[in-house]
Amino acid sequence: DTGVSQDPRHKITKRGQNVTFRCDPISEHNRLYWYRQTLGQGPEFLTYFQNEAQLEKSRLLSNRFSAERPKGSFSTLEIQRTEQGDSAMYLCASSLAGTSADTQYFGPGTRLTVL
Amino acid sequence: SQKIEQNSEALNIQEGKTATLTCNYTNYSPAYLQWYRQDPGRGPVFLLLIRENEKEKRKERLKVTFDTTLKQSLFHITASQPADSATYLCALDGSGNTGKLIFGQGTTLQVKP
Repeated sequence: DTGVSQDPRHKITKRGQNVTFRCDPISEHNRLYWYRQTLGQGPEFLTYFQNEAQLEKSRLLSNRFSAERPKGSFSTLEIQRTEQGDSAMYLCASSLAGTSADTQYFGPGTRLTVL
Repeated sequence: SQKIEQNSEALNIQEGKTATLTCNYTNYSPAYLQWYRQDPGRGPVFLLLIRENEKEKRKERLKVTFDTTLKQSLFHITASQPADSATYLCALDGSGNTGKLIFGQGTTLQVKP
């Protein structure tokens, strides 16, 4: 399968713990996006990378969230000191900049539950 | 403030009929608009893109219109099938050429046999 993959698919954690999610984009894609989605809502933009550079971060993103894409390939999203409000589906998407208005290909998501 | 609105009520239609979903936006001037399909527990899947200078786009049983004066896009599925049952999301380009997408909340379509 050459699509976007995410790991883990599900994560249950206790409030206050740190969690890290991984995203492997489509190999030739240079842009990578993180979104968060809660029940009944559309995905909400969190941050994006072009190659290894993090070019934009949502103002809604708490400083407990950090993302990296060290070699311009896979990316990690870390949430420190998790809160119950962080419970959501975390989606990763990738695209090839400069093509067809950046059609984004989404992974299956990581569902986070904070108890 | 900027808003993208889709009908939050589920749309229930009979198999074979045409489903029409609406996406309205305010305080945006998007260069393009995209429609995605999302099944429960899965990531969105790209369906169609329409640019600001295009009035209509078709792909198989799907048709999208884009009216920049009304600030509205309509998404049609003709000859609907139960397999078309899903949530459909519209998305606008968020800023410049970043590719960042701003999504509506989605409309759930249920096609009954």
